[in-house]
Amino acid sequence: QLQLQESGPGLVKPSETLSLTCTVSGDSISSGTYYWGWIRQPPGKGLEWIGSIYNGGTTYYNPSLKSRVTISVDTSKNQFSLKLNSVTAADTAVYYCARHESYGGNPTGTFDRWGQGTLVTVSS
Amino acid sequence: SSELTQDPAVSVALGQTVRITCQGDSLRNFFANWFQQKPGQAPILVIYGQNNRPSGIPDRFSGSSSGNTASLTITGAQAEDEADYYCNTRDTSGNHRGVVFGGGTRLTVL
Repeated sequence: QLQLQESGPGLVKPSETLSLTCTVSGDSISSGTYYWGWIRQPPGKGLEWIGSIYNGGTTYYNPSLKSRVTISVDTSKNQFSLKLNSVTAADTAVYYCARHESYGGNPTGTFDRWGQGTLVTVSS
Repeated sequence: SSELTQDPAVSVALGQTVRITCQGDSLRNFFANWFQQKPGQAPILVIYGQNNRPSGIPDRFSGSSSGNTASLTITGAQAEDEADYYCNTRDTSGNHRGVVFGGGTRLTVL
């Protein structure tokens, strides 16, 4: 059974970098034709796609966050990671990692496996 | 990037049928996926593609699409269906390749 688990600091200071890791178990992150993505949800608000990475290293980001986001993969650890720099209070959210399907090499919205999410608060 | 619009809230009487809609230009080219999210939980996929249900999703959930509008229908809503529902689809505006979510619809089962 594929499982995803987010980990990282729950509190980040304004202007610093938010760093999270998603550990995948139950299958190899390199197998299949899947993207591995990050989605966030501010308290009481909706879902926002942050970006995704393919097992070959191809990345796509939300245009509204692209200048601040980096997603990378470590296949040896079966993990992928999110870095969001220059954070503000508006980046306070539950951050989810998830697997989604690829079609023609492009990411689809079929997120079929999700982590439980981790709350990151931006505050001094 | 593209946008998807959902009604903020919808209600349905127990056992009745409810339709939750999602509008956006991307839906003319791509199918919507639908997610159910209950308080404090991660979203779960309930409908994907043209009208496919992942294993374990009851057959009272179905999806359809026409023009720029996708719909999630729950036939015979149950109390446990009370949740937030989100649509999403592919976003290929300009040179961008990604995903866009709707704002979500809170479903109340009366």
